[in-house]
Amino acid sequence: AQSVSQHNHHVILSEAASLELGCNYSYGGTVNLFWYVQYPGQHLQLLLKYFSGDPLVKGIKGFEAEFIKSKFSFNLRKPSVQWSDTAEYFCAVINQAGTALIFGKGTTLSVSS
Amino acid sequence: GAVVSQHPSRVICKSGTSVKIECRSLDFQATTMFWYRQFPKKSLMLMATSNEGSKATYEQGVEKDKFLINHASLTLSTLTVTSAHPEDSSFYICSARNGRNEQFFGPGTRLTVL
Repeated sequence: AQSVSQHNHHVILSEAASLELGCNYSYGGTVNLFWYVQYPGQHLQLLLKYFSGDPLVKGIKGFEAEFIKSKFSFNLRKPSVQWSDTAEYFCAVINQAGTALIFGKGTTLSVSS
Repeated sequence: GAVVSQHPSRVICKSGTSVKIECRSLDFQATTMFWYRQFPKKSLMLMATSNEGSKATYEQGVEKDKFLINHASLTLSTLTVTSAHPEDSSFYICSARNGRNEQFFGPGTRLTVL
């Protein structure tokens, strides 16, 4: 079965530090990849997505992710985090049937000011 | 961006009763909606895929007779937890998919079964 793994369960950074959250998926075919963010007390919001084309995808709020097919990875990056980036981050992939999202377990990011 | 609402946001019920949760796409039509369950410190677990006008597709291990899903229109899907038990207490989240294969999530419903 298709799966998504996020290696970092909890990341703690100071403001202005650079961020990279790992995400690996298991399916070797055509993939559609997503990063979602869930701020405290709020619902999931789409940060960015990759369907095809340029493997470096830019999203909202200064986030970007790079799709590396050979590594089955879609890591999320931000050069300089802010306190307001404190949230739960989920990597997701559309399943092989193309019908639903499969989520990773999430990474909690805590940014101290 | 597209908005998805859920109602109620929080519900507490007695064991053995049934609870209905509504999911609405407010500014777009969604032929497909999804129901997820989110456990504390855990990821979202897909429960079922709800298609307008047809029966829902349930994921393995999800009891379709316990979690009844109805997708009566292009903007409304409902999840009914029948004969709820304390172990059904959880955070239930719906999402709706637009024509560009993007999913937009509702704010979730916290269910507590006493």
